[in-house]
Amino acid sequence: AQTVTQSQPEMSVQEAETVTLSCTYDTSESDYYLFWYKQPPSRQMILVIRQEAYKQQNATENRFSVNFQKAAKSFSLKISDSQLGDAAMYFCAYGDQTGANNLFFGTGTRLTVIP
Amino acid sequence: DAMVIQNPRYQVTQFGKPVTLSCSQTLNHNVMYWYQQKSSQAPKLLFHYYDKDFNNEADTPDNFQSRRPNTSFCFLDIRSPGLGDAAMYLCATGGWRETQYFGPGTRLLVL
Repeated sequence: AQTVTQSQPEMSVQEAETVTLSCTYDTSESDYYLFWYKQPPSRQMILVIRQEAYKQQNATENRFSVNFQKAAKSFSLKISDSQLGDAAMYFCAYGDQTGANNLFFGTGTRLTVIP
Repeated sequence: DAMVIQNPRYQVTQFGKPVTLSCSQTLNHNVMYWYQQKSSQAPKLLFHYYDKDFNNEADTPDNFQSRRPNTSFCFLDIRSPGLGDAAMYLCATGGWRETQYFGPGTRLLVL
């Protein structure tokens, strides 16, 4: 079974600074997707960024970028120029391509942004 | 514009009293998912529908059932809620092997 590990339960960053959230996963598949979702307090889960495993190029979305290391099964999220609105729980997720894209989530990292 | 709508946002029920949570999506996606998320935990997949095909996760209790009368709507029925079923229930939708989009969730409280 696929497992996703987020080893940082909590992180904090100064506003305007850069922070990196870690994620590792375990799979025997070669074709899969990886995601970072953001869940603000009492609000819905929002997709931050997505990476296809077959792509070597790291995905970027504005201030958000990933460092995807397929051999190491590592998928970290970098947030640049952190803003107060970035404060949330961040979940790393593995998308199973053998079925209906079932998602396996990590336990989450709570990010605090300090003004 | 809301793409995944969940009603109600908050639901209070009594121990053992059946409850139904609803979800609708405007994306016309094939797949709809129900997740259970307990406080400070990751979402856990309960089941998903691919069109009308129902797929139950192996460890989902029989107490949880689902219905999908059409592409847009999906319901989660909890037949006899226990105190341990108090959680946030998230509905999501996605195309086949595509990104999942989540609704705002329904927070269930069991008294």
